[in-house]
Amino acid sequence: DTEVTQTPKHLVMGMTNKKSLKCEQHMGHRAMYWYKQKAKKPPELMFVYSYEKLSINESVPSRFSPECPNSSLLNLHLHALQPEDSALYLCASSQGGAPNTGELFFGEGSRLTVL
Amino acid sequence: GEDVEQSLFLSVREGDSSVINCTYTDSSSTYLYWYKQEPGAGLQLLTYIFSNMDMKQDQRLTVLLNKKDKHLSLRIADTQTGDSAIYFCAESDGGYQKVTFGTGTKLQVIP
Repeated sequence: DTEVTQTPKHLVMGMTNKKSLKCEQHMGHRAMYWYKQKAKKPPELMFVYSYEKLSINESVPSRFSPECPNSSLLNLHLHALQPEDSALYLCASSQGGAPNTGELFFGEGSRLTVL
Repeated sequence: GEDVEQSLFLSVREGDSSVINCTYTDSSSTYLYWYKQEPGAGLQLLTYIFSNMDMKQDQRLTVLLNKKDKHLSLRIADTQTGDSAIYFCAESDGGYQKVTFGTGTKLQVIP
């Protein structure tokens, strides 16, 4: 199984809503990532979890709250978002540990629209 | 910080070769990658090259690395319509956690 599964594929939410994006992998990878991608732009790193601990937070606003319940699951909790947060949110995983080529396996993404 | 630049657009005829170029600034880059993104989808790793190599070939794909000039290229031989996508080069310092993506090149293949 070489898949990273993201749900939901599409999400529309108002600025006062609370919602969550979910990501799952069963490749035994120990590093998991959230990226944000705006239209016609490259993915921008938001968070990295390594061995279920948050290791990188790229100064993301607190209205985005990541959670890694176990080594296979990664969530992104959303609260009080702004319309400019509308984007494709990509989850990725990698083997983790060293030596490591850093190859990322991406999910299909969750397309978020904030009204 | 790291900076990875690519030209925005490339158009080729089916059957021709495509060459997508990338320049990067981080001299500590250990691995360099090429990812493909089809419309509405996530990114898929096509190939990668370790920084002490200057060439890697994988079927229709050839990666060339000029470390002195910090220039990376991806050549796709016999380009097919299914190759139409956005191609991102990316680099990592080998710390495995932070991969920086280039601006992306949209490849259009004309039948």
